[in-house]
Amino acid sequence: EAGVAQSPRYKIIEKRQSVAFWCNPISGHATLYWYQQILGQGPKLLIQFQNNGVVDDSQLPKDRFSAERLKGVDSTLKIQPAKLEDSAVYLCASNPSRDFYNSPLHFGNGTRLTVT
Amino acid sequence: AQSVAQPEDQVNVAEGNPLTVKCTYSVSGNPYLFWYVQYPNRGLQFLLKYITGDNLVKGSYGFEAEFNKSQTSFHLKKPSALVSDSALYFCAVRDGTGGYNKLIFGAGTRLAVHP
Repeated sequence: EAGVAQSPRYKIIEKRQSVAFWCNPISGHATLYWYQQILGQGPKLLIQFQNNGVVDDSQLPKDRFSAERLKGVDSTLKIQPAKLEDSAVYLCASNPSRDFYNSPLHFGNGTRLTVT
Repeated sequence: AQSVAQPEDQVNVAEGNPLTVKCTYSVSGNPYLFWYVQYPNRGLQFLLKYITGDNLVKGSYGFEAEFNKSQTSFHLKKPSALVSDSALYFCAVRDGTGGYNKLIFGAGTRLAVHP
């Protein structure tokens, strides 16, 4: 099966600019996650979708970050305006159901964002 | 809150020697524990998981992990390390708060296998 697709792979922007990342999960996967991985740290969950609905965005800085999954398939994550501390790798992951009993999370290769 | 800790930032081992990457956990209820590996400029790849059953779990690429309830540990092991095992390793625990599952990751351990 095709894996989780993410684009772009790399992005360099200046602070206060805006940026958007795209994710296409594995076909049929109902659950989609966006994680932020700052250098030297483990991935931290930003937002979780179940189909096209948000089920957890408690860690999302909503003053500058937004995400959508309009048709319950692909998703976009946007940052506006970006800050220096947003420099990180943004990872998208998907799972076929709500549990991890039979299937673990599948991750894309991520988008590396550098804010200068 | 569910959490995992990886006490070592880096582990160095010679090729052919056994390796251990440590992880301890703190959970309420029964733990679902996972190990993932990350190669440079790549996403995380699943290695193995413990949900229930045998305390020794076998996974991909010859890796295994031992679940120890009394020590709240889930250490990753391999009998004979390869240079190609050099990567970043993450331990993770399931958090099912609110009825929707997510993974909480440790800070990661960099494994360096020297020829």
